[in-house]
Amino acid sequence: AQSVTQLGSHVSVSEGALVLLRCNYSSSVPPYLFWYVQYPNQGLQLLLKYTSAATLVKGINGFEAEFKKSETSFHLTKPSAHMSDAAEYFCAVSEGRDDKIIFGKGTRLHILP
Amino acid sequence: DAGVIQSPRHEVTEMGQEVTLRCKPISGHDYLFWYRQTMMRGLELLIYFNNNVPIDDSGMPEDRFSAKMPNASFSTLKIQPSEPRDSAVYFCASSLGLAVALYNEQFFGPGTRLTVL
Repeated sequence: AQSVTQLGSHVSVSEGALVLLRCNYSSSVPPYLFWYVQYPNQGLQLLLKYTSAATLVKGINGFEAEFKKSETSFHLTKPSAHMSDAAEYFCAVSEGRDDKIIFGKGTRLHILP
Repeated sequence: DAGVIQSPRHEVTEMGQEVTLRCKPISGHDYLFWYRQTMMRGLELLIYFNNNVPIDDSGMPEDRFSAKMPNASFSTLKIQPSEPRDSAVYFCASSLGLAVALYNEQFFGPGTRLTVL
């Protein structure tokens, strides 16, 4: 069965610094991969998704993620952190176009002034 | 569209009581999902429906949990009897399809924070 592992339940970066949130997946078939963001007291919102097209995927709010098959990774990055990026981020995987999505446990991103 | 609507937003109840959580999906969405979020277990898929029919309920923790979708615009998640370990945030989400089919996404409601004393 597919799964995702998010390294680090909490990550702190300074405002303006690079954001890097790590995600590794396990899948028996080429996966579909997602990043969702959850702001305080809200539901999850889709940031971006990988669907076997370009390996570098650009999402909303300046975030992007790169699919690396050899490393089974789908890390999320943003060149310059903003205070408004403080939230919890979830990596997720699906094994097929008609398959459910499995979420990781989340990484809470803290932005330091 | 108002998005996915959940009620109540907060629920505090005593152990042994019945709890009913409600969800109104986005109009036109064929799929509805119920998730539970806790610190220990993260976000877990409990059950999902397609065109009002339950497709996969393998995530429902036990028989105390039940979910229904009597029509395309309404679903309930019921816990009877409730226990303290059921305390969590319960999310409802809806989508046009599963995963990347139709290149859609899941839209989440704001959640119901349940506290069982």
